[in-house]
Amino acid sequence: QKEVEQDPGPLSVPEGAIVSLNCTYSNSAFQYFMWYRQYSRKGPELLMYTYSSGNKEDGRFTAQVDKSSKYISLFIRDSQPSDSATYLCAMSGTGFQKLVFGTGTRLLVSP
Amino acid sequence: GAVVSQHPSWVICKSGTSVKIECRSLDFQATTMFWYRQFPKQSLMLMATSNEGSKATYEQGVEKDKFLINHASLTLSTLTVTSAHPEDSSFYICNPADRVGYGYTFGSGTRLTVV
Repeated sequence: QKEVEQDPGPLSVPEGAIVSLNCTYSNSAFQYFMWYRQYSRKGPELLMYTYSSGNKEDGRFTAQVDKSSKYISLFIRDSQPSDSATYLCAMSGTGFQKLVFGTGTRLLVSP
Repeated sequence: GAVVSQHPSWVICKSGTSVKIECRSLDFQATTMFWYRQFPKQSLMLMATSNEGSKATYEQGVEKDKFLINHASLTLSTLTVTSAHPEDSSFYICNPADRVGYGYTFGSGTRLTVV
């Protein structure tokens, strides 16, 4: 079993839709949770960063962490074609440690 | 926010030659550098971790003699792929971090193609 599970997609939605991306994990020591966006042939770009459980909102993006269920989500409101990319969840334990990544979900937003 | 510069963005080399990739943290001191590798349609896999002035720690299955990491300063780390083979063709990405926790910004990546 992988430490972090993420559906690779692709997930296809029309412009303006609300997108829900999810990851599950098995290591209860994870405390820091990140979402990255990666365009083709580019390095990952940090979108959201959350410590422990709870919600965090930034513009059209909302990140949720449910540690009791070992489940994290990223919601994108009013999705745009420019949001088409691969979204990677990542997490680490107490203090700064190496990041463990999900496989990434490819999102396609059609005009 | 943290600014990371990685060069080159892409390189093509002949089998058997060596390639050096540079990663610079431009506005913070990176006490730790993580190097990742990403194969097509796969996620990032950690290759090695280095602390400034110390030898790198390699993940299981990563050959330390093939992937040489130098982290001699707090703003520069290099990854050298020695005696490159076609199976080393991949996307290499650096991830510098400091003691306070700046560790969430990645380099733009280097696409290595070995022919």
